[in-house]
Amino acid sequence: NAGVMQNPRHLVRRRGQEARLRCSPMKGHSHVYWYRQLPEEGLKFMVYLQKENIIDESGMPKERFSAEFPKEGPSILRIQQVVRGDSAAYFCASSPLAGARNEKLFFGSGTQLSVL
Amino acid sequence: TQLLEQSPQFLSIQEGENLTVYCNSSSVFSSLQWYRQEPGEGPVLLVTVVTGGEVKKLKRLTFQFGDARKDSSLHITAAQPGDTGLYLCAGGNSGYALNFGKGTSLLVTP
Repeated sequence: NAGVMQNPRHLVRRRGQEARLRCSPMKGHSHVYWYRQLPEEGLKFMVYLQKENIIDESGMPKERFSAEFPKEGPSILRIQQVVRGDSAAYFCASSPLAGARNEKLFFGSGTQLSVL
Repeated sequence: TQLLEQSPQFLSIQEGENLTVYCNSSSVFSSLQWYRQEPGEGPVLLVTVVTGGEVKKLKRLTFQFGDARKDSSLHITAAQPGDTGLYLCAGGNSGYALNFGKGTSLLVTP
C-alpha cells in the first residue's frame, strides 16, 4: 500500500534555474494539494488540483510558480527562475475526498529545495 | 488567513511525565486536525475533531475541541521517547485549504 510519493527528496538549484517537483498520490486518490513549509513557519497552502484541473490556487505566488495534475502521471509543481527565498520543504498531500473538512489527508515525505 | 497560535513552541520533558499543548485562534473552524511530523518527513494525521466540546482519545493522547470551536488541546499521558516530534494543529472551513499553526516541538528524553 504505497503512500504519497514525492521526488526528488532533495533538490539543489542555482538562482535562475528551474525546479520541478513531482508527486504521485496514493492509489485511488484524485485530489492533490501542495503545501510549502518555510523555516520557522507553519505549512502554507499553495494549490489544490484534481485530475486535469486546478481547483484552488489562491496560495500560489502570482509569478514563477505553476502546478499541474495531468490525466496520466504525477502532479508537478514547477518553479521558474528560482530565488533564494524559494528554499523550503514542499509537501504534497492526497485525498480521496475534496475540501478542507475531509478527514483523509495523506502527506508525502516532501522535497527539500535548496537554492544556492 | 485564519491564524492558529500553538503553545508552547518548545517542550522538553522526561519519559513518564504528562503534558498538554494548546492550539488557539480568534476564528471559528468547522474542523480541526492534529498532526505529528518527524524530521525529514511529512505530517501524519492523528485526529480530526468537528464538534464543539468533542473529546477524542488515541491511546495515551487525548484531544479536545473547544466549545466555541476556536481552540483545541492535546494531552499526552506518560510520555514516551517515541512521542518526540513536531505537533501541528490545522483548522479547516468551507474552502480547500487547511490553516496550520507553527507547531509545538516536543522532546521526550529517557
